[in-house]
Amino acid sequence: AQRVTQPEKLLSVFKGAPVELKCNYSYSGSPELFWYVQYSRQRLQLLLRHISRESIKGFTADLNKGETSFHLKKPFAQEEDSAMYYCALRTGGTSYGKLTFGQGTILTVHP
Amino acid sequence: KAGVTQTPRYLIKTRGQQVTLSCSPISGHRSVSWYQQTPGQGLQFLFEYFSETQRNKGNFPGRFSGRQFSNSRSEMNVSTLELGDSALYLCASSRDSGSEGEQYFGPGTRLTVT
Repeated sequence: AQRVTQPEKLLSVFKGAPVELKCNYSYSGSPELFWYVQYSRQRLQLLLRHISRESIKGFTADLNKGETSFHLKKPFAQEEDSAMYYCALRTGGTSYGKLTFGQGTILTVHP
Repeated sequence: KAGVTQTPRYLIKTRGQQVTLSCSPISGHRSVSWYQQTPGQGLQFLFEYFSETQRNKGNFPGRFSGRQFSNSRSEMNVSTLELGDSALYLCASSRDSGSEGEQYFGPGTRLTVT
C-alpha cells in the first residue's frame, strides 16, 4: 500500500528566507505526486504536480525516485505563503480519483 | 465556472443517528471523491464514484456509503453515527482524464456527533 510522510508538522521561517517542506513516499510503482495548499478559511487547492514541472507562486518540487521524495521549495518565502501544505500521491490508472495524503505541514512565515 | 459545492456546510447529529451529505461537482466532471479530515488522522480517502459506479474504496467501515446520480451529483451516508465520525468531510471532483485529472475540492461539511 502507498504511504506519504511529511516529517514536519510545523515549520517557521522569516520573510525572505528559503523554505523547504519535506515529503517522502512509499509506493512500488510510478506514482503521481502533488502538493496541495489550504490557506486560512479557504478550500484545499492544487499548488503543483510533478508531471507539469511548473513553478507556481515561486514554489518548485522535483520528484526524486531514488530517494522517493518530492520536497517543496521556495527560495524567498513571503508572508502570504503561510498556510497548511499537503503532499499527496496518486497511483494512476483507474485510481485517478484516489489521493493518499501526508499529514500536512503548517508553514508560518514571520515578517 | 462554479466550483464544487457541498451541503449542508454544518451539521450536528446525535450518536446512533444517520446522516446524508451532498456534493455537486463542477459541470462536466464525472468523478467525485470523498475524504474525511480529522486533526488526528489527517485527510483520508473514503471512496470515489465515476459514472454512477463506485470505482475506489478506502478503509472505512460499511457504515460509510455513497452513491452518484446520473448528473454526477453525489451523496454520502453515514449510518449509526459514532463520536469518532466527527470530522470535516470533503468532496472533490475531476474530469478524470490525463492533465484534466486534477481534483477540485469543495468547502466541506463539518459534522459534529454528540
